Amino acid sequence: GEDVEQSLFLSVREGDSSVINCTYTDSSSTYLYWYKQEPGAGLQLLTYIFSNMDMKQDQRLTVLLNKKDKHLSLRIADTQTGDSAIYFCAESFSSGNTGKLIFGQGTTLQVKP
Amino acid sequence: DAGVTQSPTHLIKTRGQQVTLRCSPKSGHDTVSWYQQALGQGPQFIFQYYEEEERQRGNFPDRFSGHQFPNYSSELNVNALLLGDSALYLCASSSSLKGVSSPLHFGNGTRLTVT
Repeated sequence: GEDVEQSLFLSVREGDSSVINCTYTDSSSTYLYWYKQEPGAGLQLLTYIFSNMDMKQDQRLTVLLNKKDKHLSLRIADTQTGDSAIYFCAESFSSGNTGKLIFGQGTTLQVKP
Repeated sequence: DAGVTQSPTHLIKTRGQQVTLRCSPKSGHDTVSWYQQALGQGPQFIFQYYEEEERQRGNFPDRFSGHQFPNYSSELNVNALLLGDSALYLCASSSSLKGVSSPLHFGNGTRLTVT
């Protein structure tokens, strides 16, 4: 079945690295995504990875995918107070166009000065 | 370049009433998807519209219906509102250009409160 799970809360100090983890159950997913949601706002796409990749780096963000263990992680280097938000991982099953995404329940990242 | 825009931003309705939410996709996008996000939860897929037709649907009752217009904008209609329909309704757009990976871009949502 389709299920995505995340830990609910992570607290780090400013300047440290943050690692947010996600596990999923359906191995037929094609793309995996990380979205950020700030209070009262919609979802901002941070990065995404195709399921045949192991790693993707984009400035301070590093995504690691372990397809064997169905585990996805997002590492934020040099975490800033502006990174405080809820982070959602999501998977899709369509090639090319993405319609139905299955989201986790979100991880609240708290960055302490 | 305007992103995804939704209106209204907030709405209060009474049980049993009907509501219409509106969405304009990001420039260059032709596909619109709707999601419901209950408080403290991740978004859940309602349905997707492409070429003015519903292409995919999630596990939502028929009280939830939609429409897409020739300019790609979309409406979400909910009839016979229940208290449990209170949520943030998110619209997301993407491009269905064949062979191109197109992640979803979300609007800021409409906060619906049913009393």
